[in-house]
Amino acid sequence: SQQGEEDPQALSIQEGENATMNCSYKTSINNLQWYRQNSGRGLVHLILIRSNEREKHSGRLRVTLDTSKKSSSLLITASRAADTASYFCATVTNSGAGSYQLTFGKGTKLSVIP
Amino acid sequence: DGGITQSPKYLFRKEGQNVTLSCEQNLNHDAMYWYRQDPGQGLRLIYYSQIVNDFQKGDIAEGYSVSREKKESFPLTVTSAQKNPTAFYLCASSMFNSGANVLTFGAGSRLTVL
Repeated sequence: SQQGEEDPQALSIQEGENATMNCSYKTSINNLQWYRQNSGRGLVHLILIRSNEREKHSGRLRVTLDTSKKSSSLLITASRAADTASYFCATVTNSGAGSYQLTFGKGTKLSVIP
Repeated sequence: DGGITQSPKYLFRKEGQNVTLSCEQNLNHDAMYWYRQDPGQGLRLIYYSQIVNDFQKGDIAEGYSVSREKKESFPLTVTSAQKNPTAFYLCASSMFNSGANVLTFGAGSRLTVL
């Protein structure tokens, strides 16, 4: 079952602009993660934000989490052509018996035009 | 370099045939996962394993089988019972199945049924 839903499905911007992607989810989470996937490749982990955190930074990435609205956003500042990829949010939930499940959304396809 | 190796990268199958996708990791991770990715569908969990000789079904296990005889290896067999097997298959691992799950992915295997 899909927990996170990204918005928009696709985003096209000029190099140097900022890109914002949003993720909404339905149930309580332990943490939320963002991954990047270049076309035809595996996913790469970008950043993790815990449920008790509100904002986190990593280089040109800024992630926010609003647990009251069950939503997160990923901001990429000063985008580059190399940022062109699909970006997925993934929620981690406790599935019981000491086990955790990571569930991915459908992704946002970002195109950065040089 | 530590990482996850998936093979083959491309695989063609005739209807009615079983095929096995290989996944090997040298990260000393306890947990391993198989995901299926279809266009516009995001990633869906097929099977996961938290420890050698043990594995659990994910959301779409029907028509698939796995084994975990060694910590490093988690092969996936796509059986003839899987009605629509054409997809991109991703193997991943994490240090252990915990609330701080961060997945490391392989480069993927693309299966096409002729």
